[in-house]
Amino acid sequence: QQPVQSPQAVILREGEDAVINCSSSKALYSVHWYRQKHGEAPVFLMILLKGGEQKGHEKISASFNEKKQQSSLYLTASQLSYSGTYFCGTAGGTSYGKLTFGQGTILTVHP
Amino acid sequence: GAGVSQSPRYKVAKRGQDVALRCDPISGHVSLFWYQQALGQGPEFLTYFQNEAQLDKSGLPSDRFFAERPEGSVSTLKIQRTQQEDSAVYLCASSSGLAGSQGSYNEQFFGPGTRLTVL
Repeated sequence: QQPVQSPQAVILREGEDAVINCSSSKALYSVHWYRQKHGEAPVFLMILLKGGEQKGHEKISASFNEKKQQSSLYLTASQLSYSGTYFCGTAGGTSYGKLTFGQGTILTVHP
Repeated sequence: GAGVSQSPRYKVAKRGQDVALRCDPISGHVSLFWYQQALGQGPEFLTYFQNEAQLDKSGLPSDRFFAERPEGSVSTLKIQRTQQEDSAVYLCASSSGLAGSQGSYNEQFFGPGTRLTVL
């Protein structure tokens, strides 16, 4: 089942912060975060693994609440380049690593 | 180094035509995934290869969709007798590790996609 992302869209001024949430009704093994700009490939941001491990870009932070099956992506001191659509992809422990993506959160950063 | 490449970038087909979409993964990557992305939606899983073996094709929407990766590198997604509902962006992603519960820790590197429009 598709994870649910919130909010659906965010508009920021440069330097402002934002939080994007991802919630699943299924037990999760890992959560993957990607950013996609219009007409481009999704770009990897971070993986959060059950048990607390993380792998990703240093300037990106995120959390993973295993009990609640939720993850949040924290964008601080936003830059114009942060604009795009953010997707969370969830993987269950018995899957082949295939990801089930949320519907996306559109982030727009203005000068 | 080169990333994942896909060709063609854009394809327009008349309803009923067959199409073939190509994916060149990152060299040495064992895992290869195909996703379908409708406008304004997140990518949806189609199929997964581990080297040349197609281990999961549960996401293929119908038997008109066929994928192969005969030598464990380049992959082709073929759609026969295209329908308007097949219009979407088809994304390919590769990963260095094996998929599965442990492989869920490996990031997937996506190609730019092929935008298919069926008239």
